[in-house]
This record gives sequence, structure tokens and C-alpha cells, in this order.
Amino acid sequence: GAVVSQHPSWVICKSGTSVKIECRSLDFQATTMFWYRQFPKQSLMLMATSNEGSKATYEQGVEKDKFLINHASLTLSTLTVTSAHPEDSSFYICSAGTDPGETQYFGPGTRLLVL
Amino acid sequence: QKEVEQDPGPLSVPEGAIVSLNCTYSNSAFQYFMWYRQYSRKGPELLMYTYSSGNKEDGRFTAQVDKSSKYISLFIRDSQPSDSATYLCAMSPGYSSASKIIFGSGTRLSIRP
Repeated sequence: GAVVSQHPSWVICKSGTSVKIECRSLDFQATTMFWYRQFPKQSLMLMATSNEGSKATYEQGVEKDKFLINHASLTLSTLTVTSAHPEDSSFYICSAGTDPGETQYFGPGTRLLVL
Repeated sequence: QKEVEQDPGPLSVPEGAIVSLNCTYSNSAFQYFMWYRQYSRKGPELLMYTYSSGNKEDGRFTAQVDKSSKYISLFIRDSQPSDSATYLCAMSPGYSSASKIIFGSGTRLSIRP
């Protein structure tokens, strides 16, 4: 149980384009989903917290207009990187929290490379 | 000072050894304590989860929490090369599903055959 999927697993795009990453909880309803970013050999950096049907809460320093988050249902959240630039290249990981939340279950991650 | 401190390693031990991984923290509000394992280029996988102080055992893995010392540990017995990964400690106050989890920086572990 508690399986979270992400799609795509990796994506290469040109600078200036937008990329959408999907995060799905497959066997449970996730009240809250989290988006993280991870650079090589570094720990997870929380970008934003999203709750179904409401606006996401972004961490300090994360541009909300650049990283658009939509949590349309209890099983799906999307992260759209708008006007991507090479510095946006990273490993993006989502996680989903159950209710009552005691821990989070992570997706397999999406590797983004912006050329 | 970071809320959660974890030695980044790398830690290299021979196969079959007992591995001890540790984290310290400063926020006394933390109630839920977790250990995640992350293989290269993969998402973190939940290994152990404990509430408040005490020990929890699952196969070769034992998690210990000492809230009085603000110190948590993960022990791996009979370590295998497949245990080679980065281990992240994590903790949260756990008030709701929106509770932020604070992660340690991760310890890179290598088990030598």
C-alpha cells in the first residue's frame, strides 16, 4: 500500500518551454501533497505544500509564478515549470501525506534537464 | 543551527557489519521520527517510522528514539551490499497531514562485499 507515482520519470526540454510533472497517489487519498527539489548529493528541499482544492503554500524563495502547482483531486497534483531555464534542471520529487498525517510517501522522482 | 543534524558520511563498512546511523535535533515538538532510504536517482523509500521515544524493530533494522537527548538512531544488522544507499532521517510534529517533515542531510552508506 501507499504507492505514489510520478510521470514522466525524466524529461529533456528546450529553454523557454514549460514542463508539467504529475504526481498520483495510487492506492490512497492524499489530503496533502508536497513537492521537493533535490540537487546531486544534497538533501531534499521542500518547494511547496498543496492541499486538494486550495492554493499551494510555497516555501520562502520559491517563485510561485514559475512553479505552478495544481492539486485537482485527492489523488493528483501537478507541478508545471514555466519558461524553464538550465538552472531549473534538477530532480523533482513529490510526496503524499495521509490523514491523519504521520508520514509521507514519496514518488520515484522526475529528472528534468533543460537545454 | 539546523533543526536536524546528520553526518553526511560517507560511511563504508564491510558486509555483515552492524551499521549505526544517527541524527540529532533541536525542536522538542517533533513527535514522529522516520528513516528513509534513497538509492541513486530514485525517490526516498520509507524504512522505519516511530512515534515518540522507544525502539522499533523490523527485520534487520532497528530504530531508536531518545527524546530526552533529542537523538535518534538506525541500526542495520548483517549489512548487505544492497543496503548501500543514502539514509535520510526525518521528523515532524505530526499535527496533521500537512505537517512539514524536516529532513536530515542524509548519510551515504557503502557496504563493501
